[in-house]
Amino acid sequence: EAGVTQFPSHSVIEKGQTVTLRCDPISGHDNLYWYRRVMGKEIKFLLHFVKESKQDESGMPNNRFLAERTGGTYSTLKVQPAELEDSGVYFCASSLEWGLNSPLHFGNGTRLTVT
Amino acid sequence: AQSVTQLDSHVSVSEGTPVLLRCNYSSSYSPSLFWYVQHPNKGLQLLLKYTSAATLVKGINGFEAEFKKSETSFHLTKPSAHMSDAAEYFCAGNSGYSTLTFGKGTMLLVSP
Repeated sequence: EAGVTQFPSHSVIEKGQTVTLRCDPISGHDNLYWYRRVMGKEIKFLLHFVKESKQDESGMPNNRFLAERTGGTYSTLKVQPAELEDSGVYFCASSLEWGLNSPLHFGNGTRLTVT
Repeated sequence: AQSVTQLDSHVSVSEGTPVLLRCNYSSSYSPSLFWYVQHPNKGLQLLLKYTSAATLVKGINGFEAEFKKSETSFHLTKPSAHMSDAAEYFCAGNSGYSTLTFGKGTMLLVSP
């Protein structure tokens, strides 16, 4: 089966610009998660979709971040306007069922650099 | 909420020698704990998980970890390191029903 796919793999943008990251989960996985790792820090949870609904968005840092999952398939994460502190690696993961007994499958991540 | 602490940012070993990557957790309840590995430019891959069954958990690629409640630890070990084990390793625990809290990561360096 195809794994979790993220696009682009790298993005370099200037402060104030907009960037949209995309994640395609494993087919049939209703649960989709976004995590990010800011340089030198822990990987932190951003939000969790169950199908097209936001189950938990407690990790979203501020209203410059907007995540969508129209139709319950792929998801996008938009950062507008981007700030320097948004630089880091953004990971997407998907799982078949809700709960940690269902393994999380991670994508390779998108490395975002804001200059 | 749970937190995990990885005690070493870097660990260096020689090929063929044992590997020990340390992780401590803090939790007021019985945790679920995980070890993930990330090779360069790859995603996070699950090595093993503990979910309150056997305290000694065996994972892929010869890795194992032991849950020690008295020490609040979940250290990752491997008897003999291979060059291919060089990667970054993350300890994680559950911070909600389906979300993870990660440690800062430990970079494992393996020399010939």
